[in-house]
Amino acid sequence: RKEVEQDPGPFNVPEGATVAFNCTYSNSASQSFFWYRQDCRKEPKLLMSVYSSGNEDGRFTAQLNRASQYISLLIRDSKLSDSATYLCVVKGGSYIPTFGRGTSLIVHP
Amino acid sequence: EAGVAQSPRYKIIEKRQSVAFWCNPISGHATLYWYQQILGQGPKLLIQFQNNGVVDDSQLPKDRFSAERLKGVDSTLKIQPAKLEDSAVYLCASSPGQASGLETQYFGPGTRLLVL
Repeated sequence: RKEVEQDPGPFNVPEGATVAFNCTYSNSASQSFFWYRQDCRKEPKLLMSVYSSGNEDGRFTAQLNRASQYISLLIRDSKLSDSATYLCVVKGGSYIPTFGRGTSLIVHP
Repeated sequence: EAGVAQSPRYKIIEKRQSVAFWCNPISGHATLYWYQQILGQGPKLLIQFQNNGVVDDSQLPKDRFSAERLKGVDSTLKIQPAKLEDSAVYLCASSPGQASGLETQYFGPGTRLLVL
């Protein structure tokens, strides 16, 4: 089993739709969780950290489920500009980061 | 504030040749990461430095890859000799190094390597 797993997609949704991605991790001792966004041929950029209590930033909501060992990202009211690859990052001991392979999102008119 | 700088941006070499990449992190950032990103995959951590010490290099193919950060600032990653499967984007990232798991990593633009 890979340390961090994501459905590669692509998720193809119309503008205005709500879409959700999950990311599962295998190390129950993992300590920190993040979502990064990567545009085509660009570098990854932090979208949001994921806190135990869940957190929201505008149209984006991230949640952590430690019991089932997954994190989720919910995007409401999708925009064309949300089209990108969304990378899940998990940090374990010594805060060493492990990236998932990413989930591709395509938002169409 | 200047971001993470990397050079060169593109490199084409033949297999068995050597290549080196350079990274200058954000000023004052203690932690520096090198990643390899193969097309269609997520970034894979090769090596993580804290100042000039190595935190983790468990996924660095040490028979051909080497990295150094001698003065705890900029860093070089070398491949010698290169193989076809080394074709990838090599990303450098830095973070402040406050020993907090919630630190953001800031990425450079990457070096695209093609091995023929």
